[in-house]
Amino acid sequence: AQSVTQLDSQVPVFEEAPVELRCNYSSSVSVYLFWYVQYPNQGLQLLLKYLSGSTLVESINGFEAEFNKSQTSFHLRKPSVHISDTAEYFCAVGANAGGTSYGKLTFGQGTILTVHP
Amino acid sequence: EAQVTQNPRYLITVTGKKLTVTCSQNMNHEYMSWYRQDPGLGLRQIYYSMNVEVTDKGDVPEGYKVSRKEKRNFPLILESPSPNQTSLYFCASRDRILEQYFGPGTRLTVT
Repeated sequence: AQSVTQLDSQVPVFEEAPVELRCNYSSSVSVYLFWYVQYPNQGLQLLLKYLSGSTLVESINGFEAEFNKSQTSFHLRKPSVHISDTAEYFCAVGANAGGTSYGKLTFGQGTILTVHP
Repeated sequence: EAQVTQNPRYLITVTGKKLTVTCSQNMNHEYMSWYRQDPGLGLRQIYYSMNVEVTDKGDVPEGYKVSRKEKRNFPLILESPSPNQTSLYFCASRDRILEQYFGPGTRLTVT
């Protein structure tokens, strides 16, 4: 079984400030990790993913996340946010193992990021 | 354009009236899922399908049915909807490296 905890349900920040959205997971097998973003009244879009290799992964719009196996975390960071980053962000973990759990994604509860001018 | 489509996008219905939400993908993906999204609970998987004629329960399957007769389609069926099934529903399909592609969502209200 696997689970995901997003430690903050809401994060308000001012424009151009740095932000960190926290995500911790638990799993009995090795995992893949994802961050998805949901803009108001839209579906989910993949922001970035960790499958293997370098533990630091980056998105095209300035977000980055670091896979920390010892702390079972995958926190999302951005050094300077914009108004357009206002959205809900979901951390998700997928089992990297065979059997029926393979490919199943378990989502966190979501973190609403609100960027104020 | 690679996409997952869902219909309808919005639906208001009454308790007990059977309904179907359609889902279709054009990416030839084998794995498809249905999720419901509720405030504070994130997304929870209802059912998934590993391939044609292969479906299984997710975390919250009660009150739902699915079928997978063709690779591209994965409809969600509510035989007797109840108010606690009022939610935002997402269909998704997955490629070989586990990236999930989500549909635009269906907002269902059961009165």
